[in-house]
Amino acid sequence: GAVVSQHPSWVICKSGTSVKIECRSLDFQATTMFWYRQFPKQSLMLMATSNEGSKATYEQGVEKDKFLINHASLTLSTLTVTSAHPEDSSFYICSSFSGLALHTQYFGPGTRLTVL
Amino acid sequence: SQQGEEDPQALSIQEGENATMNCSYKTSINNLQWYRQNSGRGLVHLILIRSNEREKHSGRLRVTLDTSKKSSSLLITASRAADTASYFCATFGANSKLTFGKGITLSVRP
Repeated sequence: GAVVSQHPSWVICKSGTSVKIECRSLDFQATTMFWYRQFPKQSLMLMATSNEGSKATYEQGVEKDKFLINHASLTLSTLTVTSAHPEDSSFYICSSFSGLALHTQYFGPGTRLTVL
Repeated sequence: SQQGEEDPQALSIQEGENATMNCSYKTSINNLQWYRQNSGRGLVHLILIRSNEREKHSGRLRVTLDTSKKSSSLLITASRAADTASYFCATFGANSKLTFGKGITLSVRP
């Protein structure tokens, strides 16, 4: 199946700092990538849809200035959590469609963000 | 917003037994998918069933879909300790987005 990687796998930062999370499609081109966040023992909540070469589409209630998304190439999307606060601590997961399997999303391994 | 609601929320069985998990949803769908998540990891796609399909098999997995009741079930036969994970149903609709349920925690005792 298609492979999606994320970096870093975990990060600890101080409150007020910004953190960048990378999502890469390793063996396919991803024109669209999805960013989710997941709180402990809860479901995945879609934050935004990242489109290569254009602005991301954010879900209702997600602050676009807080969670900056850049999809500059067909294999890389980045999520930057700006001025992070403890309530931003969560598990962030990206995914994409590979095009080979219609409607099936391939997920990255996730990034655990802890804001102190 | 969450669409799928799985039940039970947690399931504990003995290795070798079958595990049945149910999912209900609210709006019309294009397809329904089941994913597995091991603790602290990303999601792995298990199986997809289209809205015009009623049953599908993949190895030890059997999924059913009843669009009239807006429900689906996932059966894992002859469970193994390695099946211990969280399982999510996700619906794919006209908005081209996946909407996940809350998940079911499956524990398979050796």
